[in-house]
Amino acid sequence: DAGVIQSPRHEVTEMGQEVTLRCKPISGHNSLFWYRQTMMRGLELLIYFNNNVPIDDSGMPEDRFSAKMPNASFSTLKIQPSEPRDSAVYFCASKGRTTYEQYFGPGTRLTVT
Amino acid sequence: GQQLNQSPQSMFIQEGEDVSMNCTSSSIFNTWLWYKQDPGEGPVLLIALYKAGELTSNGRLTAQFGITRKDSFLNISASIPSDVGIYFCAGQLPPVQNFNKFYFGSGTKLNVKP
Repeated sequence: DAGVIQSPRHEVTEMGQEVTLRCKPISGHNSLFWYRQTMMRGLELLIYFNNNVPIDDSGMPEDRFSAKMPNASFSTLKIQPSEPRDSAVYFCASKGRTTYEQYFGPGTRLTVT
Repeated sequence: GQQLNQSPQSMFIQEGEDVSMNCTSSSIFNTWLWYKQDPGEGPVLLIALYKAGELTSNGRLTAQFGITRKDSFLNISASIPSDVGIYFCAGQLPPVQNFNKFYFGSGTKLNVKP
């Protein structure tokens, strides 16, 4: 079975550029989570969706960050404009309807220069 | 926000030794999850705990949901080199407060010397 799929795996961009990270959750899962991982702050929840609807975006750092989930099999996290302090590993995770267990993707390592 | 205190931060052990790590919180949690993260990869779910006092094993790994519901423990018996990685606990507040939201500990970095 395919797990959570994220793309790209690595992204290097210059400050000010727009960055789009993509996620395909596990088929049949109805909740999707975006996390950011840094050495300083560990794993932080940015936003999560339930049945494609954003439920809690209190972790989104600022207006430069936005996330969408147009359908049950696809989500994007966009940063516009990007800044060096956005450099981190961004993870997507998904969860099924009848469980609390979240399954993580391999992550996207973002470097903003 | 909620804080999970995970300890120890890092461990250096000899192959074959047993390992213990724990997470504590000032809040009561409904669910505890334990993950392992290898370098360059996403966290992989090891064990899920749903009831206070629950003890669950997965091979050489055993995790417990503390009776107070404010802590959880992970033990690894007879460690091997492939146990190397970072172990995270994650706790979920009762549903009335936060339906899907998990709070993650800062991780325990395990090093195993062959």
